[in-house]
Amino acid sequence: QVQLVQSGAEVKTPGASVKVSCKASGYTFTSYVIHWVRQAPGQRLEWMGWIDAGNGDTKYSQRFQGRVTIARDTSASTVYMDLSSLRSEDTAVYYCARANGGYYHALNYWGQGTLVTVSS
Amino acid sequence: QSVLTQPPSVSGAPGQRVTISCTGSSSNIGTVYDVHWYQQLPGTAPKLLISGNNNRPSGVPDRFSGSKSGTSASLAITGLQAEDEADYYCHSYDSSLGAVIFGGGTKLTVL
Repeated sequence: QVQLVQSGAEVKTPGASVKVSCKASGYTFTSYVIHWVRQAPGQRLEWMGWIDAGNGDTKYSQRFQGRVTIARDTSASTVYMDLSSLRSEDTAVYYCARANGGYYHALNYWGQGTLVTVSS
Repeated sequence: QSVLTQPPSVSGAPGQRVTISCTGSSSNIGTVYDVHWYQQLPGTAPKLLISGNNNRPSGVPDRFSGSKSGTSASLAITGLQAEDEADYYCHSYDSSLGAVIFGGGTKLTVL
């Protein structure tokens, strides 16, 4: 069965970077797009970007442009999301999610979420 | 502020029917791009409820249905049950922004 398993919770200080991983299993890794979506406490879902796991193409939300990098390791069936210059407003649960097709398709599988806390 | 507008909350008694609207524009819902809906229970990851405007993934009860017309979409839930109490989000793509977009979310309360 399809599974997306994310790395564990992180606590970071302002200005630092965080790298969250998302290991995929149960399907052909390179055939799908993976998105990153975050949710601050009590807030809505916020799209950050996607990566085509096949060719490595990426697209980022303008809101995070310059601070976020999404990459993949096909040999490990893993996608990584790197967010730099962290501030307190980046405290959120970060989810990876697999699209059921191209980048504009529904997100039919989600990781369990990774809580990133930014605090001095 | 979200590009897709949802009511912050809706409520209904068990057994009733409720609808949640998702209002967009000519650059997102009003284009060829589909609308998808998710249910999020407290403390859990979102779960896909409706894909491609009106398609239910396997395992989603037929009490849930979706529709799209013009620049708006709706999620309808019939025969409301206590376990339906959750947050619901719509999702689409905006061709002007070149970005995936989510609605602000709607909290459903079962009275």
